[in-house]
Order: sequence, then C-alpha cells, then structure tokens
Amino acid sequence: DAKTTQPPSMDCAEGRAANLPCNHSTISGNEYVYWYRQIHSQGPQYIIHGLKNNETNEMASLIITEDRKSSTLILPHATLRDTAVYYCIVRDWGRGSTLGRLYFGRGTQLTVWP
Amino acid sequence: NAGVTQTPKFRILKIGQSMTLQCTQDMNHNYMYWYRQDPGMGLKLIYYSVGAGITDKGEVPNGYNVSRSTTEDFPLRLELAAPSQTSVYFCASSYSGITGNPYNEQFFGPGTRLTVL
Repeated sequence: DAKTTQPPSMDCAEGRAANLPCNHSTISGNEYVYWYRQIHSQGPQYIIHGLKNNETNEMASLIITEDRKSSTLILPHATLRDTAVYYCIVRDWGRGSTLGRLYFGRGTQLTVWP
Repeated sequence: NAGVTQTPKFRILKIGQSMTLQCTQDMNHNYMYWYRQDPGMGLKLIYYSVGAGITDKGEVPNGYNVSRSTTEDFPLRLELAAPSQTSVYFCASSYSGITGNPYNEQFFGPGTRLTVL
C-alpha cells in the first residue's frame, strides 16, 4: 500500500473550514484514498473515501488532485466536536487485494478552537 | 444494533498472566480485525479474519492468538503478558462481498485499555 504524509497538527477556528492535506505520491491506479478520524480515546470513525473524482457526504468533502498524488479533506464548518486525529489511508480494495487491511500512520491532530 | 462491542474496557495484568479480550459484532460482517495503538501512534494490525474458521497474521502478531468460531465473535488471547503489550486494543469489523468492498468502511469498537506491570 502507498504511504501517506500528513502534517502532525493543524488548528482551525470554529465555524471556519478545516482543510487537511495528505500527500500520497506513490499511489497506484487502483488504490483508493480513505479518511478516518479518531476522537480522543475512541475507536476510529470512517469519514469518506474516493478514487479520482471529488467526493462529498454529510460529514466532509474530499478533493483529489488530477495526478492523484495528493488530496485534501475539507470540513466545511468545523465545530469543537471535530477536534480529533485525522488519518489519510490509501489502499487497494479490489479482488485479490489484501483483504480490507488499513494501514494507519500518525495522522493529523486537528484542534478546533472557539 | 449495538455495532462492535469490546470487553473489558480496562484491565491491569501482571507480567506472565494471560487474558482474553472479547469482541462481538452484530452487523453480520464477515471481516474482523484486531489493532493495537500505542501512545501517540497510529493503529497497527495484529490479526484479522475473513470469516468463521479463517484467521491470518497482521503486522504485529507476536504474543497474541485469535480464533473465529462464529461470525459474531473474534476473541484475542494474550498468553504471557509483557510490558510491551501495554496498549489500547481496538476490534473492528467490515463487510466484503465476493467482488470486494470499495467502501471498506470498518466499524470500530470502543477499545480495551490494557496495562501490564
């Protein structure tokens, strides 16, 4: 699986957009980008995933560059409850792939301040 | 649905003791996983299972054993506890059909905080 690089920490004012970057320059054509987050002491929570098109759901938006070497997770209106560690993960899900395994790095600690 | 449940929430063991961490899911997921998370680090995969009766090693399997006799349960066994096994343990599950699961959303339990002294 491709490795990812994320800044160790970021902060954001409540109500503003939080933009979390991720570099995955060695990503291959059939690897997806996934984002999870972990609120202090809890289990990780799935946020969003994408292959090459931008994606949006009720939690966030995912912007993937055209060359797929980087992506940005956007929380459009950050709240205090969005304070968490955010993990960017790339992996191949297809038939014959390594069975759903996710490789978590250290992620980005996002702190939302009032 | 309760989702993924883990017991106990906390445990303190002495070196050399053994214990079983319990994990149960009620979502009829075929895949289940055990991760450990050391302070300030990401999660590392210990063992995983793709269905009842099938298990395989992850990144850090040494010192642990698992079994999967039913779809719902995936217990993790520590036979001879060591201080290096002090960590938070997370169980997770997901569903993958025959053609794979592009969503690969893994559902995590609340974790078990284990201290070995």
